[in-house]
Amino acid sequence: DPKIIQKPKYLVAVTGSEKILICEQYLGHNAMYWYRQSAKKPLEFMFSYSYQKLMDNQTASSRFQPQSSKKNHLDLQITALKPDDSATYFCASSQGGLVDTQYFGPGTRLLVL
Amino acid sequence: GEQVEQLPSILRVQERSSASINCTYENSASNYFPWYKQEPGENPKLIIDIRSNMERKQIQGLIVLLDKKAKRFSLHITDTQPADSAMYFCAASGTGANTGKLTFGHGTILRVHP
Repeated sequence: DPKIIQKPKYLVAVTGSEKILICEQYLGHNAMYWYRQSAKKPLEFMFSYSYQKLMDNQTASSRFQPQSSKKNHLDLQITALKPDDSATYFCASSQGGLVDTQYFGPGTRLLVL
Repeated sequence: GEQVEQLPSILRVQERSSASINCTYENSASNYFPWYKQEPGENPKLIIDIRSNMERKQIQGLIVLLDKKAKRFSLHITDTQPADSAMYFCAASGTGANTGKLTFGHGTILRVHP
């Protein structure tokens, strides 16, 4: 059974639209993260949350907004989508502290046309 | 912040030989160094990690070395097999802010030839 679920697996969007990427983890972890991977850049940290509190935001744009409705959920809302946002978005989680081993979800591949 | 440099970008080896990937980091406060393996279309999977209180760690055929003075760490895969062919990423974490941010290298494509 997958312990970190990301939905959808693939997503095609038009420029200017808004999408929400879903992440749920069933590992009992208290910290969750978002990373982005594209052909141009390696794995790139976006956000970290610990006990549902934002700990770090490394995105340059307010178009990216994490949303944590429950301890084991960390969704990512992206507004005003641009073709440059096309990437694979990975959610990750770690047990307790922020320097614990991070486990990655299967990813959501986003293509913005 | 932190920056991680990873070399080589492509590594080709013969089956049963060893493969080595090297990474350097800038922030002396970094204290956690994981290595991930990623196959095409898949997510990164942790294969081994080391913390700054250690200099060497081995899990079966994987060895990681950490030189804190030189701010350098490396992955050594002994007795490589074609199944080891993948992208490998090193990362560093644990700066003073302790935000959980993993800073990744650009990756190494490893090809193990039969």
